[in-house]
Amino acid sequence: QPVLTQSSSASASLGSSVKLTCTLSSGHTTYIIAWHQQQPGKAPRFLMKLEGSGGYNKGSGVPDRFSGSSSGADRYLTISNLQFEDEADYYCETWDSNTRVFGGGTKLTVL
Amino acid sequence: QVQLQESGPGLVKPSGTLSLICGVSGVSISSRAWWSWVRQSPGRGLEWIGEISHSGTTSYNPSLQRRITISVDKSKNQFSLNLSSVTAADTAVYYCARAADGSFTDWGQGTLVTVSS
Repeated sequence: QPVLTQSSSASASLGSSVKLTCTLSSGHTTYIIAWHQQQPGKAPRFLMKLEGSGGYNKGSGVPDRFSGSSSGADRYLTISNLQFEDEADYYCETWDSNTRVFGGGTKLTVL
Repeated sequence: QVQLQESGPGLVKPSGTLSLICGVSGVSISSRAWWSWVRQSPGRGLEWIGEISHSGTTSYNPSLQRRITISVDKSKNQFSLNLSSVTAADTAVYYCARAADGSFTDWGQGTLVTVSS
């Protein structure tokens, strides 16, 4: 089954941009993934579905500041013009015929 | 607008069975989708538990498979989770979620279940 690898933490300044990475395991590098945001004390929220081509479809109400891109096995989430409310845990998710997998999550701190 | 709402006991005794229901509104549970359970232990990441399709096919996390049953009640537009032989390691926030086009797009608010005597 696929494995997703994420850095455990990231930080960036208010108003700047940050690029989070989710890496697919060998043999699964073409997989589609999804990005989810989990603000402190809240349920996860779907942000976008991201293809290996770099094309993505965002969830309802997700700000334009959030975008996705891909390169090989890597799937990226870029957040521009960082706001304090973007401080959250970000998880990537993928799925196969009989399983779903989450990455370990990246804790984003807005300085 | 699709809404999911978990309900069930917040406290379960060790060796007992954890039973949760996810009420669905805004869409028929018979619509093409996968209806899933995900949990999050305190301070940890998300763990997929298992799911059931609109046609009744189930898929379970291999690490939990022997203890899980997920079922659908179409008459009530809800689905449920039973997790047997629980231990303190099963203490977590349990979320229900819907995957209509591959990934999860809709999440419930979550419910904390504590396993303790």
